[in-house]
Amino acid sequence: GAVVSQHPSWVICKSGTSVKIECRSLDFQATTMFWYRQFPKQSLMLMATSNEGSKATYEQGVEKDKFLINHASLTLSTLTVTSAHPEDSSFYICSAPQGDTRGYTFGSGTRLTVV
Amino acid sequence: QQQVKQSPQSLIVQKGGISIINCAYENTAFDYFPWYQQFPGKGPALLIAIRPDVSEKKEGRFTISFNKSAKQFSLHIMDSQPGDSATYFCAASIRDYKLSFGAGTTVTVRA
Repeated sequence: GAVVSQHPSWVICKSGTSVKIECRSLDFQATTMFWYRQFPKQSLMLMATSNEGSKATYEQGVEKDKFLINHASLTLSTLTVTSAHPEDSSFYICSAPQGDTRGYTFGSGTRLTVV
Repeated sequence: QQQVKQSPQSLIVQKGGISIINCAYENTAFDYFPWYQQFPGKGPALLIAIRPDVSEKKEGRFTISFNKSAKQFSLHIMDSQPGDSATYFCAASIRDYKLSFGAGTTVTVRA
């Protein structure tokens, strides 16, 4: 089946640094990628929607300048957390619709810890 | 505001029992209703999904029941096993657009 490969699976960074998370669709073209964050014991919260070749659409309350999303090709979307702070520590997950009503494929998630 | 309401928040079931999780929605434009299973530290994995033109779908021990008029759908896990212990999320979307997730249900299956 369709696979979205997400890296890294976990990362620890210092406050003030930036971290990049990558999601690659391995066997299908992902024209759209959804980015979620999930706090412990909570549901997935949509942060933004990226479309290949155009600017991402951010959900209300999500800082565009802090969470930079790039979708430069049909198989790669990246989320960069800039100037990370401890409150950005969370589980970040990407997801791509497979098209033709075949549903969505999720990445395996990235656990970000900012110290 | 949550577009999909899920209950219960958690449930405990004995091995071999039936787990039932319910979801309700308001937006009648939703046309895709998936259920996801998530283990700690992992991304959600699709368990089973249904579209509004059918009232029930069964895959192995997992069954979705869908009531379009009541705007409700539910997941039944038959013959629950300890390996089914996980968090389950219902969701809904319109034509491959963004998914709206329920709050999640933590299922614990006791051996």
